[in-house]
Amino acid sequence: AQSVSQHNHHVILSEAASLELGCNYSYGGTVNLFWYVQYPGQHLQLLLKYFSGDPLVKGIKGFEAEFIKSKFSFNLRKPSVQWSDTAEYFCAVTVNRDDKIIFGKGTRLHILP
Amino acid sequence: EAGVTQSPTHLIKTRGQQATLRCSPISGHTSVYWYQQALGLGLQFLLWYDEGEERNRGNFPPRFSGRQFPNYSSELNVNALELEDSALYLCASSLVGHEQYFGPGTRLTVT
Repeated sequence: AQSVSQHNHHVILSEAASLELGCNYSYGGTVNLFWYVQYPGQHLQLLLKYFSGDPLVKGIKGFEAEFIKSKFSFNLRKPSVQWSDTAEYFCAVTVNRDDKIIFGKGTRLHILP
Repeated sequence: EAGVTQSPTHLIKTRGQQATLRCSPISGHTSVYWYQQALGLGLQFLLWYDEGEERNRGNFPPRFSGRQFPNYSSELNVNALELEDSALYLCASSLVGHEQYFGPGTRLTVT
């Protein structure tokens, strides 16, 4: 069965630190990859997505992610985090574009001011 | 443009009762998806409707059911509620083949 693993359940960083959140998926075929973010008290929002093409994708608020097919990974990065990045981040995959999303368990990111 | 809307925001039911949750997709979206976000279990896919038909179903018992109306809005019904059904239920909509947009959710509490 397809699955998504997020390595860090809870990450605490200071402002201006660099961020990398790990994500690995188990499906060996063609996948579409997503990072969603849930800010406190807000609903789930799409941060960035990969469907095809350039494996380095840029999203909103300075986030980017790199799809490494050989490693089945889609890690999320940001060079310098801000306090407002405090949120829960979910890596997700669909096998077909119009199919169900399989989510990772999420990573709670807490940025210290 | 209005986003995905869900009602009610909160719902409190007792064990054995039925719950009905509603979702209105973004205008023009034909697909509606339902997910359960339960404590400790993460986000799990429940149901997918497109053009009024059930297209896919997650690993949930048959007492979780739903439907999609001609205006593409959707309803999720949970029968014979159990305590472990307490969760945030999220609805998402999309055009087929595109990314999903999520609503704010309905918090269901079963006592």
